[in-house]
Amino acid sequence: GEDVEQSLFLSVREGDSSVINCTYTDSSSTYLYWYKQEPGAGLQLLTYIFSNMDMKQDQRLTVLLNKKDKHLSLRIADTQTGDSAIYFCAEKGGGFKTIFGAGTRLFVKA
Amino acid sequence: EAQVTQNPRYLITVTGKKLTVTCSQNMNHEYMSWYRQDPGLGLRQIYYSMNVEVTDKGDVPEGYKVSRKEKRNFPLILESPSPNQTSLYFCASSPDRGQKLFFGSGTQLSVL
Repeated sequence: GEDVEQSLFLSVREGDSSVINCTYTDSSSTYLYWYKQEPGAGLQLLTYIFSNMDMKQDQRLTVLLNKKDKHLSLRIADTQTGDSAIYFCAEKGGGFKTIFGAGTRLFVKA
Repeated sequence: EAQVTQNPRYLITVTGKKLTVTCSQNMNHEYMSWYRQDPGLGLRQIYYSMNVEVTDKGDVPEGYKVSRKEKRNFPLILESPSPNQTSLYFCASSPDRGQKLFFGSGTQLSVL
């Protein structure tokens, strides 16, 4: 069945770039998402990319999609302590279901 | 303010005691969904609803019920909770058939 995998932890220094990686299995995915979960809160949509795009940039965020390898990444430039959170990769095909990865916990050291 | 509201935020109960977690959205979204979040497993979908009186099972529906009598409300019902239903639950709604999800703040449930 469909699956989304991502590493569980990432630690970076404040001011460095963070790169969170994700792989998915469903080749019919039409949308791929990054959600952010801050402590004690629900998930918030951070950004998304259509499957026919290779890259999307939004201020400090850059999403790269390698459809051949089914690999998605999220780069956060100039990472700040406020970026500390759990980041979930998710994919959606033509149906009504969104499949989430287990989440990557980002630690930002001052 | 546009939001998805879940209640309660925290709930401790005992095995077998029926409970309901409420979810309400004020954005007139047709699509609503329930997820559970467990460490290392991410979010797994329990049930979803495409519109009033239209519900369908997600990946882990066993032990749960839902209803969608009004567009804004989508309660999650545990008729006979068991300890393996201890989890963090999220309700979400979407204006576009689940493409972009808006989440509530979560309900931490502990079943003893």
